[in-house]
Amino acid sequence: GESVGLHLPTLSVQEGDNSIINCAYSNSASDYFIWYKQESGKGPQFIIDIRSNMDKRQGQRVTVLLNKTVKHLSLQIAATQPGDSAVYFCAENSGGSNYKLTFGKGTLLTVNP
Amino acid sequence: DADVTQTPRNRITKTGKRIMLECSQTKGHDRMYWYRQDPGLGLRLIYYSFDVKDINKGEISDGYSVSRQAQAKFSLSLESAIPNQTALYFCATSDQSAGMENIQYFGAGTRLSVL
Repeated sequence: GESVGLHLPTLSVQEGDNSIINCAYSNSASDYFIWYKQESGKGPQFIIDIRSNMDKRQGQRVTVLLNKTVKHLSLQIAATQPGDSAVYFCAENSGGSNYKLTFGKGTLLTVNP
Repeated sequence: DADVTQTPRNRITKTGKRIMLECSQTKGHDRMYWYRQDPGLGLRLIYYSFDVKDINKGEISDGYSVSRQAQAKFSLSLESAIPNQTALYFCATSDQSAGMENIQYFGAGTRLSVL
């Protein structure tokens, strides 16, 4: 079956640095992608999304890049803050009418003061 | 998300017991989901419902059942709990009218331990 995976399970950065979290997907039919943030003891929280007809989308301090040629998705966090420490998941909607999401395993981001 | 409420937040039960996890939402969404989260495995879909009375199996439905008697409520049952069902369980909702943008909104989770 199709799967969503992450290149790095953990990422440690210094406060103020930029963070880049990567995600590889294998289903070429996927047409929509979401990044979620999960803090300890909480449920996943929506950060940003992108359709497959786009290659970049920006939010507040976050940017998602989509490279359909190599089936790669990344989340960039600018000026990383201690409050950004969490597990980050990518998720894909593999197309069709079901609109179910397939989630990656997650990357733990740790921000050092 | 406070609009998606899960009860209880924590539950300890014994092998063989029947338990029910509740989820209620005030977002007015028609779609609801139950996921299980285990360390290193990410979120796995147990069941989902696109409307009242609509029930669909996810990738790991064995040992679980669900009930969607009202738009705002979706309950997950373990008929006879076993230790490998120890996990963190999440309920989520999404809005069908959003079309492709299937953003799912999650509750805070229920931590279940089966002894």
